[in-house]
Amino acid sequence: SSELTQDPAVSVALGQTVRITCHGDSLRVYYASWYQQKPGQAPVVVFYGRNNRPSGIPDRFSGSSSGSTASLTITGTQAEDEADYYCNSRDISGNHWVFGGGTKVTVL
Amino acid sequence: EVQLVQSGAEVKKPGESLKISCKGSGYSFTNHWVGWVRQMPGKGLEWMGIIYPDDSETRYRPSFQGQVTISADKSISTAYLQWSSLKASDTAIYYCARWDVVGATSQYFDLWGRGTLVTVSS
Repeated sequence: SSELTQDPAVSVALGQTVRITCHGDSLRVYYASWYQQKPGQAPVVVFYGRNNRPSGIPDRFSGSSSGSTASLTITGTQAEDEADYYCNSRDISGNHWVFGGGTKVTVL
Repeated sequence: EVQLVQSGAEVKKPGESLKISCKGSGYSFTNHWVGWVRQMPGKGLEWMGIIYPDDSETRYRPSFQGQVTISADKSISTAYLQWSSLKASDTAIYYCARWDVVGATSQYFDLWGRGTLVTVSS
């Protein structure tokens, strides 16, 4: 499939760990990038590549990949982490790029 | 300051044409791909296409090919997204973003504009 699939929503208790997953055949070959989007704001990249966290992004954000699944983990989730999260990568053809459908993270 | 500044919100009627802009500053505009991302009301992000301003090489997601035109004027560090005939379904926020390439298997948008709201309504 050329698509990337994410769970629509996930909830996490304050201070706990949440893992957001992204599934797609292309992820066996290509790395994903991850974006956080808060209401009314532009997205911000929070993790990309094999193991890259942009400057200014807290180290509680980490990424990993295994087979056809890429994951973004937030360890010690804070209230300000409540947002929509999107993965992005190439499609299996390698010629185009797609976003996942997004995961809404609610912090309880 | 490294930034992408997008043009302001637009309200158009179906069938009208439109060109929105994205001006880069604080970095070498010609040496970085610039992409466009659509976000329809209440929906997710959609990768539309990218352009390399130095030579205007362009790549479109198939579903957007022929529906929009991405261009750039490197002399003024500006990328554009244009429509020749708008439809109500083009109503969305359109973001431009700088596309960074980290090897053959990793690319990502590292710098985003604030978005341009396009409303198409009769």
